[in-house]
Amino acid sequence: GESVGLHLPTLSVQEGDNSIINCAYSNSASDYFIWYKQESGKGPQFIIDIRSNMDKRQGQRVTVLLNKTVKHLSLQIAATQPGDSAVYFCAENNAGNMLTFGGGTRLMVKP
Amino acid sequence: KAGVTQTPRYLIKTRGQQVTLSCSPISGHRSVSWYQQTPGQGLQFLFEYFSETQRNKGNFPGRFSGRQFSNSRSEMNVSTLELGDSALYLCASSEVWGGAGKTEAFFGQGTRLTVV
Repeated sequence: GESVGLHLPTLSVQEGDNSIINCAYSNSASDYFIWYKQESGKGPQFIIDIRSNMDKRQGQRVTVLLNKTVKHLSLQIAATQPGDSAVYFCAENNAGNMLTFGGGTRLMVKP
Repeated sequence: KAGVTQTPRYLIKTRGQQVTLSCSPISGHRSVSWYQQTPGQGLQFLFEYFSETQRNKGNFPGRFSGRQFSNSRSEMNVSTLELGDSALYLCASSEVWGGAGKTEAFFGQGTRLTVV
């Protein structure tokens, strides 16, 4: 996704609900995608990745969906917990290890 | 295994000065990338190194430079600092560089640079 980085969209969910965070990426040649979680004062933390030859990948409580037709990624978090509150970034890779980041989405979990 | 280590964590510099930031990748990782994070521009790629060679460079002025040593540790340098260089500088390490076997990049905690 293009790094607009201006105003962070916010997703507010109730604890226990499922969360879906969306991301549009820019380069149709990108072949590797990663979701990162960033908490205040920390560096981005790897959540899950997916390669372009897949359309879905599951981890522990997280699922990433990739739609190459419309250049769209989504991150689904099941049974969202207060500890999931953070900013989430998608990143695309198409050259070396260079990552292009989306602008990020702030997830707020209400207890 | 220790994670990516960046030093220093915080830095305050005056306009016109220069600064050097350091990054020690995860043991065994040979690829190091640098990113700048600001509230206005988000996370932006600076450059990446593999086997002591710069492989890609982002759209930043020549005041930003870097290097990688034979032990994979990397440094980045910013000369003639400007107020707009105030940012969180993040380093990420990866096991391999590009290709079908590429895997996730692990980030350090970052260096918070404030230019006054």
